Amino acid sequence: GQNIDQPTEMTATEGAIVQINCTYQTSGFNGLFWYQQHAGEAPTFLSYNVLDGLEEKGRFSSFLSRSKGYSYLLLKELQMKDSASYLCAVDNYGQNFVFGPGTRLSVLP
Amino acid sequence: DTGVSQNPRHKITKRGQNVTFRCDPISEHNRLYWYRQTLGQGPEFLTYFQNEAQLEKSRLLSDRFSAERPKGSFSTLEIQRTEQGDSAMYLCASSYFPGQGNQPQHFGDGTRLSIL
Repeated sequence: GQNIDQPTEMTATEGAIVQINCTYQTSGFNGLFWYQQHAGEAPTFLSYNVLDGLEEKGRFSSFLSRSKGYSYLLLKELQMKDSASYLCAVDNYGQNFVFGPGTRLSVLP
Repeated sequence: DTGVSQNPRHKITKRGQNVTFRCDPISEHNRLYWYRQTLGQGPEFLTYFQNEAQLEKSRLLSDRFSAERPKGSFSTLEIQRTEQGDSAMYLCASSYFPGQGNQPQHFGDGTRLSIL
């Protein structure tokens, strides 16, 4: 079966660092994607991991461990505009993306 | 690059009616995907096309759902005999698949369907 787990909600303070975890069990694996989705808007692509390790893109970093079925998204120097849902998605060998339920992040002043 | 375009943005209809949504992908993208998203959940995969070929459709929610991409460019998603449970956001995404590896999918703003 396909199962992706993420925390439902997280809260952090402006300027802080937050780590959003994602665990997955899928029938196939061809990479893991992180998306940001503001309420009422389309998901926008943040980061992609296909090999184990850390990928860094500005204030956002994503880590993958394929043996553990685990990834995290790290957001540094949080800003109010980072308040959004963060979606973890596994590429099931290019046939489809299996999305997690999303983590709703609230950034407080 | 104008991004993925979906219309209408909102559709309100009575139960039992048929509805059709349109998606125009990014022009150089050969893959097009349809998802459904309900409040508080991640997108749920429905079907996808590579050029005009529909390569996966087993995840369409019932035989009331169908999708086409006749010329390998825009796509339509049709829901026949709509039901209350069909109320959701319907998202379209596109990507370029070069034959191996992968590329991120780029999403449109979606069509929000409300069934009265």
